[in-house]
Amino acid sequence: SYDLTQPPSVSVSPGQTATITCSGDKLGDKYASWYQQKAGQSPVLVIYQDTTRPSGIPERFSGSNSGNTATLTISGTQAMDEADYYCQAWDNDSVHVVFGGGTKLTVL
Amino acid sequence: QITLKESGPTLVKPTQTLTLTCTFSGFSLSTSGVAVGWMRQPPGKALEWLALIYWDDDKRYSPSLLNRLTITKDTSTNQVVLTMTNMDPEDTAKYYCTHCVGPGYHMDVWGAGATVTVSS
Repeated sequence: SYDLTQPPSVSVSPGQTATITCSGDKLGDKYASWYQQKAGQSPVLVIYQDTTRPSGIPERFSGSNSGNTATLTISGTQAMDEADYYCQAWDNDSVHVVFGGGTKLTVL
Repeated sequence: QITLKESGPTLVKPTQTLTLTCTFSGFSLSTSGVAVGWMRQPPGKALEWLALIYWDDDKRYSPSLLNRLTITKDTSTNQVVLTMTNMDPEDTAKYYCTHCVGPGYHMDVWGAGATVTVSS
């Protein structure tokens, strides 16, 4: 089965850049998506097809995907960005959906 | 505007079968490229993908739960039903249904989720 690996936690100071990685075998050959989940809420899509922001998602959220690693970057991180972030890929070989284990972003 | 809402029992006993219904609006599951997915999240744990049903009735299941899951759709009532057999306390979780689009089948709209507790 296909696995995605994320760091359990990332800390960042307000106004700084947060970087969250997601690793998987040849992940760059697949489309990666990112979800933000705040406490007690449903996940929200923040990046899809590696780099695309849905309508309503702030420009400070950006994504990239190459080789074995997809990256979510939050520029000028704000306190409201504190949440769990999950990467997701669709394995077109098995036609299965895969989630990473999630990263808790702390803004302090 | 796309919306999805999960419904089903909040409490099931071990060994029972869970049936969850996703009722959606704002899209048709007959439209090419569209899918509805089910995910779950145990308390304090990560998201887990369960199943996906595509517009053409193709169905895909998590390999670890393949033998316990069935997903079906009814395009006339805009509903997707997920059944999970032989429930165990470890299946206690919040269950979400989602609207999915390709390529990449990202989940762009999520329901509020349905909390299911497995206990005798």
